[in-house]
Amino acid sequence: EAQVTQNPRYLITVTGKKLTVTCSQNMNHEYMSWYRQDPGLGLRQIYYSMNVEVTDKGDVPEGYKVSRKEKRNFPLILESPSPNQTSLYFCAVFGSSYGYTFGSGTRLTVV
Amino acid sequence: GDSVTQMEGPVTLSEEAFLTINCTYTATGYPSLFWYVQYPGEGLQLLLKATKADDKGSNKGFEATYRKETTSFHLEKGSVQVSDSAVYFCALSGQGGSEKLVFGKGTKLTVNP
Repeated sequence: EAQVTQNPRYLITVTGKKLTVTCSQNMNHEYMSWYRQDPGLGLRQIYYSMNVEVTDKGDVPEGYKVSRKEKRNFPLILESPSPNQTSLYFCAVFGSSYGYTFGSGTRLTVV
Repeated sequence: GDSVTQMEGPVTLSEEAFLTINCTYTATGYPSLFWYVQYPGEGLQLLLKATKADDKGSNKGFEATYRKETTSFHLEKGSVQVSDSAVYFCALSGQGGSEKLVFGKGTKLTVNP
């Protein structure tokens, strides 16, 4: 079964404390991306990766970093979180057979 | 750039009512079109898709037809149920479906018994 696993599901943190949201897939697909969902704005792409060691900015990359050292993992890193990064985050994986598969989401609150 | 506009909600219907959620898009070439559904507290699930003009996607009683002449992909269901209460997102991806998804802002649907 195609799976995209995100952790944690919920996270409350303080401004400036570095955090990482993990994403892993069991489908061996190349394309992975991160989205944030905000009320009234829908989902917006933060970063994406076409393959190992290949990453690029999406529409709202400011304040985020990613890495793709291996095919199955695509962590989202917030070096110094701020309250405007409070959001619901989704990892998505694309495969030609499955189309897009989304993780269950991570609800982040930065106080 | 590519964009998706969908009708603003929230939409509140009684059970067995007819549902239409409008979606129009702006894109170059021939995008693939999608409807995703997000049930309360859950992630996004693909509801249906269409990859070329005049294609009709359908699933769980929902339908949408890819209309290139009107750049639209309206979601319809003939008789909604309480269990259809969710947020619905219209989205597109580039030709071939391998590029990023561009989402509309979402429409919240509430169905009352």
